[in-house]
Amino acid sequence: GESVGLHLPTLSVQEGDNSIINCAYSNSASDYFIWYKQESGKGPQFIIDIRSNMDKRQGQRVTVLLNKTVKHLSLQIAATQPGDSAVYFCAENEGNFNKFYFGSGTKLNVKP
Amino acid sequence: EAGVVQSPRYKIIEKKQPVAFWCNPISGHNTLYWYLQNLGQGPELLIRYENEEAVDDSQLPKDRFSAERLKGVDSTLKIQPAELGDSAVYLCASSLATSGGAQEQFFGPGTRLTVL
Repeated sequence: GESVGLHLPTLSVQEGDNSIINCAYSNSASDYFIWYKQESGKGPQFIIDIRSNMDKRQGQRVTVLLNKTVKHLSLQIAATQPGDSAVYFCAENEGNFNKFYFGSGTKLNVKP
Repeated sequence: EAGVVQSPRYKIIEKKQPVAFWCNPISGHNTLYWYLQNLGQGPELLIRYENEEAVDDSQLPKDRFSAERLKGVDSTLKIQPAELGDSAVYLCASSLATSGGAQEQFFGPGTRLTVL
């Protein structure tokens, strides 16, 4: 299957700082990506998505950057809050197959 | 608008017993997914439906797992008999597939299965 991996399994940041979570993907044909947030005991929650015809997309306090040259995806969270503490997953999708591949996740710890 | 609904939320059974999970997707979503998630790992696809058709079940252990989506709406995933290694969270997700490519996929809360 596809290989989607995260560089840092655990990231600790101070409340108010910006967080950057990285993800590498292996399938150059992937053209749609989603970032999910998963809190303990809950299902993954959709945060933001991006298609391969874009390099950057912004949401509320979150920005996703896509670098297709090096097959790298990042999620930036501005002014990180304690409520942002969770595990974050990136997922990739190729073409019209509607099949998503997930990485193993990065745990974000926000220190008050 | 209601999200993806799953039940039960938790299930504890003894090995060799059967178990079933139920999922109701977001209204209007034609694509339904069942995933397995082990602790500390990302979801892994078990089966994907487009309407009532299972279009991808390559990762479903068919000797003990089965699924159905008879009317193209809600779905049931069954394990019979359950093994110790089946302990995990079973997630259901749905999306609205279009000819324009993959669309946002939304997850339910999951069912945490413990096999003793």
